[in-house]
Amino acid sequence: AQSVTQLDSQVPVFEEAPVELRCNYSSSVSVYLFWYVQYPNQGLQLLLKYLSGSTLVKGINGFEAEFNKSQTSFHLRKPSVHISDTAEYFCAVSDRNFNKFYFGSGTKLNVKP
Amino acid sequence: EAGVTQFPSHSVIEKGQTVTLRCDPISGHDNLYWYRRVMGKEIKFLLHFVKESKQDESGMPNNRFLAERTGGTYSTLKVQPAELEDSGVYFCASSLLRTGGYEQYFGPGTRLTVT
Repeated sequence: AQSVTQLDSQVPVFEEAPVELRCNYSSSVSVYLFWYVQYPNQGLQLLLKYLSGSTLVKGINGFEAEFNKSQTSFHLRKPSVHISDTAEYFCAVSDRNFNKFYFGSGTKLNVKP
Repeated sequence: EAGVTQFPSHSVIEKGQTVTLRCDPISGHDNLYWYRRVMGKEIKFLLHFVKESKQDESGMPNNRFLAERTGGTYSTLKVQPAELEDSGVYFCASSLLRTGGYEQYFGPGTRLTVT
């Protein structure tokens, strides 16, 4: 069985500060990992994904994530956040056919001026 | 290009009533998925359509939930009769058949409140 744990339900941070949103997964098979963002009153939007290859994945809006197989983690980072990054972020792992996603419980990022 | 749309955006019903949620996928997307998020917890997979066929409905909670996708276009999710624990946000997503599920596009969700 696959599962995802997002350790922080809320992360407050000041504008222009760095941020890391943590994600750990459990899976008995090869994994494909994703980060989605949900802005208020919008659907989930794909930030980035890891399918294979380089363990450092760059996504949209300056976000990046690093796949760490030994620690079963896929933490999301941004060196300098903006007010507009305030949103809820979801980590997810999919089955090998990409047709069933297992999501974490989400992390609300609150960027303060 | 229009994104995935869902109707209604909010629905408040009483326990025992029936509610039907609708999802219109992006035109040409044969894959359609339903997910649910209950009380700020994780988003959980409910089922997956390929065109009008149910490919995987392993996440459907019980037989009070019925999903259909007539003609392989829009989909409906009916809850009958609704229970308090059905409250949550129901998301729909779609993707092209050739790219598979990893390019899923999500709708804004329908917030269902059962009182």
